[in-house]
Amino acid sequence: EAGVTQFPSHSVIEKGQTVTLRCDPISGHDNLYWYRRVMGKEIKFLLHFVKESKQDESGMPNNRFLAERTGGTYSTLKVQPAELEDSGVYFCASSPQGRHEQYFGPGTRLTVT
Amino acid sequence: EDQVTQSPEALRLQEGESSSLNCSYTVSGLRGLFWYRQDPGKGPEFLFTLYSAGEEKEKERLKATLTKKESFLHITAPKPEDSATYLCAVQLAGSQGNLIFGKGTKLSVKP
Repeated sequence: EAGVTQFPSHSVIEKGQTVTLRCDPISGHDNLYWYRRVMGKEIKFLLHFVKESKQDESGMPNNRFLAERTGGTYSTLKVQPAELEDSGVYFCASSPQGRHEQYFGPGTRLTVT
Repeated sequence: EDQVTQSPEALRLQEGESSSLNCSYTVSGLRGLFWYRQDPGKGPEFLFTLYSAGEEKEKERLKATLTKKESFLHITAPKPEDSATYLCAVQLAGSQGNLIFGKGTKLSVKP
C-alpha cells in the first residue's frame, strides 16, 4: 500500500511569491490533515478535511493560507503571498474513517527568503 | 491550555542500555495518546495509540505505557537503529481529530 506522498519535497521562494504544496493521502482515507513545524517548535495542526469538506481549520494562521481538497482525493495548500515566518516543514497526514491514528507524509520543506 | 511536554530533550545511550522517555500531558479530556518515531528528513512514523490509564502496547524493543498524567516509552536493550526522534501527541476528547504534539526526544544509541 502506498503511503502519503507530498510534493515538492523542498521549495525555496522569495517573500511575496506564491507557493502551492500538494498532498496525496493513502487511498481510501477520508480524513486528511495538514500540520506545520517551524524551526525549534513542535509540530502544529493547521486544518482537517473529511473527504472534500473542511472539518476544522482552527489552526490556519491567517488568510494567506488556502487549502482545498478536490473531489475528496488529493489536497493542496497555497500560501499567497508568502512571508518569512511561513518557513518550515509542512506535513500532511491521513487516516481512514473511524480510526484515530494518522499516517504522515515525508513533508515539504518551505524556505521563504 | 492543553499541552504536551516531553523529557528529556535528548538522550544518549550505549547499545543495550535500557531507558525510558517521558511524555506528560495537561488536557481538558483525553481521547488518545500517540507515539511516533521520526527519522531525519522524514515524516513521523506511527508506533502506538494508548487510550486509557493502565494500558500498555509493545513492539519489538519498545513498550508504551499510560497513566492519567503521563506516558512512558520504554526502550529495552536499544540498538543503533533505534536512534531517532520520538514524538508524543494527544488527541482531545470531543475534538475533530487533530493531534497536539510535544517537541520530541532525540535518542542516540551508540554501538
